[in-house]
Amino acid sequence: NAGVTQTPKFQVLKTGQSMTLQCAQDMNHEYMSWYRQDPGMGLRLIHYSVGAGITDQGEVPNGYNVSRSTTEDFPLRLLSAAPSQTSVYFCASSNSHNPGNTIYFGEGSWLTVV
Amino acid sequence: KQEVTQIPAALSVPEGENLVLNCSFTDSAIYNLQWFRQDPGKGLTSLLLIQSSQREQTSGRLNASLDKSSGRSTLYIAASQPGDSATYLCAVYLIKAAGNKLTFGGGTRVLVKP
Repeated sequence: NAGVTQTPKFQVLKTGQSMTLQCAQDMNHEYMSWYRQDPGMGLRLIHYSVGAGITDQGEVPNGYNVSRSTTEDFPLRLLSAAPSQTSVYFCASSNSHNPGNTIYFGEGSWLTVV
Repeated sequence: KQEVTQIPAALSVPEGENLVLNCSFTDSAIYNLQWFRQDPGKGLTSLLLIQSSQREQTSGRLNASLDKSSGRSTLYIAASQPGDSATYLCAVYLIKAAGNKLTFGGGTRVLVKP
């Protein structure tokens, strides 16, 4: 009963490095999304996908890329890490095109960019 | 632009006391509202989802009310326990021509003292 699985849980990057945060769900959900959570800013949507092959930008997409080649996986790529991308990242999924249905979150990935 | 506010940001109560958590939103044309719980170092867990046509939802010791006209929702937790200590977030979902959007409040951090 895995739900939404994120890896890695913790990562330290140097400015300018690139990396990929992995997200996988085993609930056959169509809708998947990435959020970042920062003190005083709440949760902000980075990118989302309504199905395999379909992605779109959220509120704060700059500096991030996503792809959705399968229903299960939705990786988030940091192209050239910046200190402003230090944050906690959450992947979430839902069982329809309507993210207002019950949303399931992963346990988060703590990223520090130095 | 939809804004979601949760006041207070932090709350401390003795065990056994009832908890009352508030969520207010600026655009009353919401599709639904969800309450989430977040434990330190963990992701969000959905507690209750209220559709816009509903006035309240109940699950065990939890009861959430919704008053769309005044832009408010309240989460009641009866007979609080130390295990209820966590951060509680509300999120509202809007369907707009410009794009659907889920907006989170900043959360209320709750401490239940034994």
